[in-house]
Amino acid sequence: EAQVTQNPRYLITVTGKKLTVTCSQNMNHEYMSWYRQDPGLGLRQIYYSMNVEVTDKGDVPEGYKVSRKEKRNFPLILESPSPNQTSLYFCASSWSAGGETQYFGPGTRLLVL
Amino acid sequence: RKEVEQDPGPFNVPEGATVAFNCTYSNSASQSFFWYRQDCRKEPKLLMSVYSSGNEDGRFTAQLNRASQYISLLIRDSKLSDSATYLCVVRSGNTGKLIFGQGTTLQVKP
Repeated sequence: EAQVTQNPRYLITVTGKKLTVTCSQNMNHEYMSWYRQDPGLGLRQIYYSMNVEVTDKGDVPEGYKVSRKEKRNFPLILESPSPNQTSLYFCASSWSAGGETQYFGPGTRLLVL
Repeated sequence: RKEVEQDPGPFNVPEGATVAFNCTYSNSASQSFFWYRQDCRKEPKLLMSVYSSGNEDGRFTAQLNRASQYISLLIRDSKLSDSATYLCVVRSGNTGKLIFGQGTTLQVKP
């Protein structure tokens, strides 16, 4: 089954404790992206990757890191999480950035205390 | 000014009604346009891409007006199952950056 998986689905952590949210897709997509969704602000792009070893900043990259060492994986790293990073996070993938369906993962709900 | 703007609604309509959503974008170099649907904090799913000539998929019609920089979505004969949030999405210029509108909430009532 073609899908995008994210782990963990739910996470409660404390300020400053490094965490990684994994994202994996099995569709051989070149484009992958991370978003956060907050009430009243909608979905905002954090980082995206057009291909392996190519990553670019989205609208809200501060406080996040990503890497794209393999085509299928695009982990999101929070080196020192803060409460303002409490949010619902979505990973997505598609064949390319334009004109293609983006497939979203189920989301990761993060609470930073 | 936000790069992509939508009226958040909510739009409350009876079953069978026709409803239209508009979305405006500020970057004239924007290349690709989409409508996504999102159900109650679940993942967004593509509803339809929007082409310059306009396109239709069953009860849904999407239009693009490049001169005025807006996109529209028309839903005819609304069903209860159409209740959701509709997200306007624009690809920023020739980059991989995708900008989402805040979403328009539709509630279809019996």
